[in-house]
Amino acid sequence: DQQVKQNSPSLSVQEGRISILNCDYTNSMFDYFLWYKKYPAEGPTFLISISSIKDKNEDGRFTVFLNKSAKHLSLHIVPSQPGDSAVYFCAASVRTFNKFYFGSGTKLNVKP
Amino acid sequence: IAGITQAPTSQILAAGRRMTLRCTQDMRHNAMYWYRQDLGLGLRLIHYSNTAGTTGKGEVPDGYSVSRANTDDFPLTLASAVPSQTSVYFCATRAGTNTDTQYFGPGTRLTVL
Repeated sequence: DQQVKQNSPSLSVQEGRISILNCDYTNSMFDYFLWYKKYPAEGPTFLISISSIKDKNEDGRFTVFLNKSAKHLSLHIVPSQPGDSAVYFCAASVRTFNKFYFGSGTKLNVKP
Repeated sequence: IAGITQAPTSQILAAGRRMTLRCTQDMRHNAMYWYRQDLGLGLRLIHYSNTAGTTGKGEVPDGYSVSRANTDDFPLTLASAVPSQTSVYFCATRAGTNTDTQYFGPGTRLTVL
């Protein structure tokens, strides 16, 4: 059973608007969460992360929100750009265990 | 600086054949990982290595083996390939336990017929 879930396989957003990608997890031991971006025929690249001691982390147009009680995190992209079109994976880890669990990914399409 | 290289880029393999996917890094990162990516399932960890000389099992280790003879190389071997091992395989590295970012290679697309 997947411990990290992304229930939306795809999302389409107009350029300039906000993109919100969601992720849920089941393991309360997870203490670090990451988002990766993947273009076709390339490996995933790190985007942004958040520790369980925080509820928000911001980096430019990207903000990750963590709701520990709901075991839910989200990635906000504002404003969305066509170059943001990619598959986004969320991942979670228990830092001391050195293992990462990934969601199934959400394909974001930002329309010009 | 190449970062992480994976070979081959793609391969078509007959079922029952043995295959080794190669992964080499030049960043001197301690930890290395092998994932497979399947539609609807995302990235699943096959095996990992925290440092040279050690390996561990991930979520889906059956049918795969790894070795870590040195820091730079982390080959993944399929002893007797089966069609369910058709997937895209990604190798990744991480500098150490105090950092959380993984760096991924470009992937190997494997088809087992």
